[in-house]
Amino acid sequence: AQSVTQLGSHVSVSEGALVLLRCNYSSSVPPYLFWYVQYPNQGLQLLLKYTSAATLVKGINGFEAEFKKSETSFHLTKPSAHMSDAAEYFCAVSKRGTYKYIFGTGTRLKVLA
Amino acid sequence: DAGVIQSPRHEVTEMGQEVTLRCKPISGHNSLFWYRQTMMRGLELLIYFNNNVPIDDSGMPEDRFSAKMPNASFSTLKIQPSEPRDSAVYFCASSPGYANEKLFFGSGTQLSVL
Repeated sequence: AQSVTQLGSHVSVSEGALVLLRCNYSSSVPPYLFWYVQYPNQGLQLLLKYTSAATLVKGINGFEAEFKKSETSFHLTKPSAHMSDAAEYFCAVSKRGTYKYIFGTGTRLKVLA
Repeated sequence: DAGVIQSPRHEVTEMGQEVTLRCKPISGHNSLFWYRQTMMRGLELLIYFNNNVPIDDSGMPEDRFSAKMPNASFSTLKIQPSEPRDSAVYFCASSPGYANEKLFFGSGTQLSVL
């Protein structure tokens, strides 16, 4: 069975500081991995997607994530936080060839001025 | 493209009433998903349609919930009768393919059952 664990339901960073949101997955087969962002009162939007083409995946808004098989991790990073990055972030895993996504419980990012 | 359109944005109803949530997927997308989001359970898949056919409804909580997709541009999720524990945000999402595709989410319907 597949699962996703997001460490830290709330993360606070100062504006301009590094953003690191943690995601660990469990999958018996090579997975597809995703990061989605949800702004208040909106639906989820895709930030980036890992499909095995490259271990470092670049997404929108300056975010990137690195797939580390040995650590079963897919952490999301951004070098410098902006106030506009304040939102909830969801990691998700999907088994290749299927429509099912398993979403993590989300991490709410707060950016301090 | 207008994106996935859901209506209403907010619904407040009393226990026992029928509730119908509506969704218009992105034109050309052949997969449609209904999700429910709550603080306790996070995002749960309720039902998945492919080419207007329900493929997986194993996430539908009970018989009070039903979903239809009469054509490629419209889907409904109905709760009858509604209960307070159904209060949640219900999202519709569509995608262009069957597997591992990017999901495009609507803005959701905030349902409150009193």
